[in-house]
Amino acid sequence: GAGVSQSPRYKVAKRGQDVALRCDPISGHVSLFWYQQALGQGPEFLTYFQNEAQLDKSGLPSDRFFAERPEGSVSTLKIQRTQQEDSAVYLCASSLASGYGYEQYFGPGTRLTVT
Amino acid sequence: AQKVTQAQTEISVVEKEDVTLDCVYETRDTTYYLFWYKQPPSGELVFLIRRNSFDEQNEISGRYSWNFQKSTSSFNFTITASQVVDSAVYFCALSGTDRGSTLGRLYFGRGTQLTVWP
Repeated sequence: GAGVSQSPRYKVAKRGQDVALRCDPISGHVSLFWYQQALGQGPEFLTYFQNEAQLDKSGLPSDRFFAERPEGSVSTLKIQRTQQEDSAVYLCASSLASGYGYEQYFGPGTRLTVT
Repeated sequence: AQKVTQAQTEISVVEKEDVTLDCVYETRDTTYYLFWYKQPPSGELVFLIRRNSFDEQNEISGRYSWNFQKSTSSFNFTITASQVVDSAVYFCALSGTDRGSTLGRLYFGRGTQLTVWP
């Protein structure tokens, strides 16, 4: 079956440009997470959706970051006025249910490079 | 606060050697979950195991085994008879459950790069 997919896989943006990163979770998965992974580091939590509701956005580093999941399936992470420090891999993960301890299935990530 | 420490940044072994990846965690939650994920060069994190805080039984799955010790807050991962295909970055992660915790949010360690040479 299809896993989590993300697009684009690679994105190069000039500083100041806006970017949009897409995540297609596994069909029927209730929970969706976005993580940011800097080079040589572990993933860091950005935000969490339960269906279409964004229940936690405490990890978003600034108000330039915005995420949505309007119909409870596909999600988009948008970064406005990109800065060099935004360069990282952005990982999306989904899990079947909402709760503790569920396995998260990760997509391949989008590698964002801001020049 | 939740924290995971993987002190080993890089480990190199020769094929068929056994290797243990260390993971130490900190949490004040009474119930929590621990995970190991593998990240091959393709970048996608692959789930390996989940353990809840009430289950301290060690687990073996083929060449993989996990040793959970609550007394030392450790959840170590051993690969027996390593193979070149085991080369990857391995992450230990923690998920808390106490009031105020985001459902399922994972706190990752920095990862251990394992290289297995033929």
